[in-house]
Amino acid sequence: GDSVTQMEGPVTLSEEAFLTINCTYTATGYPSLFWYVQYPGEGLQLLLKATKADDKGSNKGFEATYRKETTSFHLEKGSVQVSDSAVYFCALSDVDGTYKYIFGTGTRLKVLA
Amino acid sequence: DARVTQTPRHKVTEMGQEVTMRCQPILGHNTVFWYRQTMMQGLELLAYFRNRAPLDDSGMPKDRFSAEMPDATLATLKIQPSEPRDSAVYFCASGLGDTSSGRGETQYFGPGTRLLVL
Repeated sequence: GDSVTQMEGPVTLSEEAFLTINCTYTATGYPSLFWYVQYPGEGLQLLLKATKADDKGSNKGFEATYRKETTSFHLEKGSVQVSDSAVYFCALSDVDGTYKYIFGTGTRLKVLA
Repeated sequence: DARVTQTPRHKVTEMGQEVTMRCQPILGHNTVFWYRQTMMQGLELLAYFRNRAPLDDSGMPKDRFSAEMPDATLATLKIQPSEPRDSAVYFCASGLGDTSSGRGETQYFGPGTRLLVL
């Protein structure tokens, strides 16, 4: 079945450091890919998404490129801020007619001032 | 700014009591999802609906959990009887299913109901 694998956290960085959170997937079809962010005490919010190969999703300085050849959707940001401290979830939705997501386990990011 | 709303936001109850959580999805969305989040298990899909019809509830303990959509503006998740192991944050999310591709589009999450069963 479909699956999403994220790098283990927590990831601790200093402010203005470069961020990469790895995400790889397996899917039987041609999925849409998503990154969600969860701030403490809140629900998940869509950060960015991509629906086809080579698409780049971007938002708030974060970027991720849909790489079909490597089945990856790594999240990057050039300069993190303390306010980026949160849990980040990678997810996919496959063309299987179920409309549901497969989520990764989440990666906690802590940014120190 | 359309949002998914959930009530109550917090609930403390005693073991054996019934718990009902409510969700108002975003108007026009045709899919509604219930998730449970715990430190140990992470984010789990409990059940979901399309056009108010249940599509899959295999993630729920059937003997004590039930999920319904009495109308397009309300989804409910009930636990009866509740147990301490049900303590978690329960999220509702709504979205649009793309019938041409069969993929789910963006899901919009509510703020969650934090349940503590003593």
